Amino acid sequence: GQQLNQSPQSMFIQEGEDVSMNCTSSSIFNTWLWYKQDPGEGPVLLIALYKAGELTSNGRLTAQFGITRKDSFLNISASIPSDVGIYFCAGRSSMEYGNKLVFGAGTILRVKS
Amino acid sequence: GAVVSQHPSWVICKSGTSVKIECRSLDFQATTMFWYRQFPKQSLMLMATSNEGSKATYEQGVEKDKFLINHASLTLSTLTVTSAHPEDSSFYICSALLAGASYNEQFFGPGTRLTVL
Repeated sequence: GQQLNQSPQSMFIQEGEDVSMNCTSSSIFNTWLWYKQDPGEGPVLLIALYKAGELTSNGRLTAQFGITRKDSFLNISASIPSDVGIYFCAGRSSMEYGNKLVFGAGTILRVKS
Repeated sequence: GAVVSQHPSWVICKSGTSVKIECRSLDFQATTMFWYRQFPKQSLMLMATSNEGSKATYEQGVEKDKFLINHASLTLSTLTVTSAHPEDSSFYICSALLAGASYNEQFFGPGTRLTVL
């Protein structure tokens, strides 16, 4: 099946630092999504990307849909303690039907204040 | 907008009993909902796609007779874990598909923590 490789697996950073994480795949994706999940909660959609090369921002978050359509990155600038959580990339490929998403393994973000 | 609720938020049951989890789209109609399972420190694994008015589509390896899905209305899908066993203990999350002219994305519920004793 489709697989997304998400890295890094975890990060422990100082408050105020910038964060970068990415997802790659051997397959082409039509949609890239980034979600954040807090403990005991469901994922919350942060950014949705629909076009190769697209660069979209949501506050301190910026994400890009890779030109090759096989990767995406998420940057968080000037991190704050509430950024703590698990960040998942998700994608929808042309090989899947019915709007199904494939999820990366997640990046655990910890922020030291 | 695009709020999805789940009930209950957590449940503890005895082995062999059945548990029903509800997923509701509160401010939009969803012809399609999805059910995921998430084990600790792991990613979300799709179990099945729930379509209003028709049978659910199950992913490979998911027993349809054990995980019964009913999507009887445009705002409600239910997942019933039948004859639950300890290995069914997990975090179950639903999502509802919000479809628009240029937007077609899943919004997730807060999840249900199932513990089977």
